[in-house]
Amino acid sequence: DAKTTQPPSMDCAEGRAANLPCNHSTISGNEYVYWYRQIHSQGPQYIIHGLKNNETNEMASLIITEDRKSSTLILPHATLRDTAVYYCIVRVTGNRDDKIIFGKGTRLHILP
Amino acid sequence: DTAVSQTPKYLVTQMGNDKSIKCEQNLGHDTMYWYKQDSKKFLKIMFSYNNKELIINETVPNRFSPKSPDKAHLNLHINSLELGDSAVYFCASSQEPRTLYSPLHFGNGTRLTVT
Repeated sequence: DAKTTQPPSMDCAEGRAANLPCNHSTISGNEYVYWYRQIHSQGPQYIIHGLKNNETNEMASLIITEDRKSSTLILPHATLRDTAVYYCIVRVTGNRDDKIIFGKGTRLHILP
Repeated sequence: DTAVSQTPKYLVTQMGNDKSIKCEQNLGHDTMYWYKQDSKKFLKIMFSYNNKELIINETVPNRFSPKSPDKAHLNLHINSLELGDSAVYFCASSQEPRTLYSPLHFGNGTRLTVT
């Protein structure tokens, strides 16, 4: 089973920041937080990951709380192309028999 | 220059038939995976291979047999297809465990419809 909890759906106005929460209250010290998204009819796409520090790349920012029990993915200026299902995953990196388990994700609707 | 490519994109077949889905990655990754996404959109891991060695084998009927001729290819053969096998099957690859922090790279899926 997935170790994360996400809201099933969210709306965001185009051009605004989309903030997607994820709860991972049982996260272990060596587990990373990963985010993927799946645009309709495509394979999931990696967005970002982090351990305990906040991270930023060209796609998004990841804010992890100090106790690491929750995180927020931020899309700073959402566009219609960001409409997708967003998955938050926790896993141990580098363990070849670690199963990468996808939960139900959050369906993000970007509104024009 | 597609990184992970699957063929075919669509596969429609009758119950009882045997079919194969092919996957190739040109990223030089060591590990490849098969995932199944059902009608409720749940994405579940089926198998993983590392350098042609089977690593993860989830509770999948033995009608499903993955085959990895080399580390760049992971094919999925399905015998005696059933209606419940209808789903989208995704192939993926990653650099792990050779490189830490390596994300999964997914293909665009094969939509299998069993009639």
